[in-house]
Order: sequence, then structure tokens, then C-alpha cells
Amino acid sequence: NAGVTQTPKFQVLKTGQSMTLQCAQDMNHNSMYWYRQDPGMGLRLIYYSASEGTTDKGEVPNGYNVSRLNKREFSLRLESAAPSQTSVYFCASSLPTIGGTQYFGPGTRLTVL
Amino acid sequence: DAKTTQPPSMDCAEGRAANLPCNHSTISGNEYVYWYRQIHSQGPQYIIHGLKNNETNEMASLIITEDRKSSTLILPHATLRDTAVYYCIVSSKNANAGKSTFGDGTTLTVKP
Repeated sequence: NAGVTQTPKFQVLKTGQSMTLQCAQDMNHNSMYWYRQDPGMGLRLIYYSASEGTTDKGEVPNGYNVSRLNKREFSLRLESAAPSQTSVYFCASSLPTIGGTQYFGPGTRLTVL
Repeated sequence: DAKTTQPPSMDCAEGRAANLPCNHSTISGNEYVYWYRQIHSQGPQYIIHGLKNNETNEMASLIITEDRKSSTLILPHATLRDTAVYYCIVSSKNANAGKSTFGDGTTLTVKP
């Protein structure tokens, strides 16, 4: 039981490049989340998915897209990376619904030059 | 979901109790209080949650005031490994309730 896994752990991009951050959970959770954390700051919600097939915007969705591929996987895509998107990205999942206890992955550290 | 207010930082002596306060004056009747902590840029870790009664588990105790407008997380015997950022959030378990806001949390430093 790995919990919540994220790939990659580290990534460096140039401005304008695109990439997809992957997240998977093996706890059969319905809800999944993407957060970003800038240095010295708290977590801000980018997007969440209450259940398979649904996604909703969080506090800071601009510049990102998400896909809830199936119940296990929730990916975050940066279409054209900008330096302002340099951050640590955390994926989380919860059951049985939005608002339940969240379990977090180890994070992806992204630098955009 | 309701917002929370926490002090930005606190110190605690090793072996003593750490009491971390949280204000959530706009909490609704169906919203739970959750506490998480984040150790040195790792993913946040769930600690405890409650609705209106006090709760205790192997990690901590949660005291919620009768009016539910504030709560206190208690680490009974703080160790150096408890140095972390502690987040208090309120959240409904309603599937249509949307999302929780984490805020900046309280940085707890446990000193020898």
C-alpha cells in the first residue's frame, strides 16, 4: 500500500515548455486534489476532483489543467510554464467525499527558468 | 468553508506540552476542525479532527470550545521531532461543499 505517489520528484523547465505532473493513489479514495506551495507559504488549492469524471477549480487554477483519468489517477498539466509557477506541488486524496481526511504525496519540486 | 486564524509562530521547550490555538469564528454546524502538520517541506500529515467533542489519539489532543469558534491542539510532551508547521482547517464532509483553505499555519519550534 504505497498511499499517494507523485512523479517526477524534481523537474526543471524553461519558460514556455509544457509538462504533466502525475499523481496516483491506491487507497480507493473518491476525491483528489492538487495544491501548490511557494517558499514560506501555506498550501493553495489549484484544482480538485470530488469523484471520477468531475473536476473543479480551486483558489489558483490559472495556467493549469487537470485530468481525472480514472479513480486512481489525477494529473496536472502546465501548458506553457512561467517562472511564477516555480513551486512545490502536492497531490492529495480523501475519502469518502470532499472534506474528509486528506492524505498527501511527497511533492514535486518544479523550477521554471 | 470557514477560514481559520493561527499565530504565525510558537516556541515550546522539549518535554513540555505544546498548545497551538486556532480561531474559526465563522464555522458552520456541519464543519469539522482538522489539524495537519508539515515537517520540513514533506507532504502534510493528518493529526486529528473533531466536530464538537474533545478528541484524543496517539499523536495529540484536540480541545474545541463549546461555541466551536476556536480550538486548541495539544501535543502533551513535545519532542524535537515535533518541530513543524501546523495547519488548522475547517471542512464539511458534504460532497458538494467544495474545498478547504489551508492558510499559512503556525510554525512550532521545539527547543532543547
